[in-house]
Amino acid sequence: TQLLEQSPQFLSIQEGENLTVYCNSSSVFSSLQWYRQEPGEGPVLLVTVVTGGEVKKLKRLTFQFGDARKDSSLHITAAQPGDTGLYLCAGRATSGTYKYIFGTGTRLKVLA
Amino acid sequence: DAGVIQSPRHEVTEMGQEVTLRCKPISGHDYLFWYRQTMMRGLELLIYFNNNVPIDDSGMPEDRFSAKMPNASFSTLKIQPSEPRDSAVYFCASSSNQGVGRNEQFFGPGTRLTVL
Repeated sequence: TQLLEQSPQFLSIQEGENLTVYCNSSSVFSSLQWYRQEPGEGPVLLVTVVTGGEVKKLKRLTFQFGDARKDSSLHITAAQPGDTGLYLCAGRATSGTYKYIFGTGTRLKVLA
Repeated sequence: DAGVIQSPRHEVTEMGQEVTLRCKPISGHDYLFWYRQTMMRGLELLIYFNNNVPIDDSGMPEDRFSAKMPNASFSTLKIQPSEPRDSAVYFCASSSNQGVGRNEQFFGPGTRLTVL
């Protein structure tokens, strides 16, 4: 069974601080996605990374896919209260399937 | 586009009753996914369809759960009989494997199910 472990599980920080969320597995994924979910809503896609070592930036968010395609990180610079939410990584096992395994989630709260 | 539509948004029922959750995917999307989210287990894939055909139902917990997709614009997830441990938020998502944004899953707002 493929598992995606995220750390930390919970994170409460002050506005303006930097943070990094990790997504780790012992399995190789053909691609990995990051989603953000707000209370009462479904997850919304932030980014998809496909190539080992790939780095993508989305304003203050930087995403990296590990060289071996087993792990990923999300770094937020100068966090803002609007970044508050549940961050989920999701890995696609092989290119022949459209099944994504979701990570355990990181619940972020940014205090003003 | 209205996005993925789910109904009802909230459902409260008693143990043993039948529950039917409904989903209308985004027009033109050929993949439809049903997920269940709980605090303990996170977001779990139950089943997904491609062109209305079930492809992988390995996540369906047991025979009490069934899903159908009679056409490209409608899917149901049925639980019969329901049990308290089925209480969760159930999400439907759809995606396309073509074009810009392919493989991006668009999630509905979810149905919060409470089984008493």
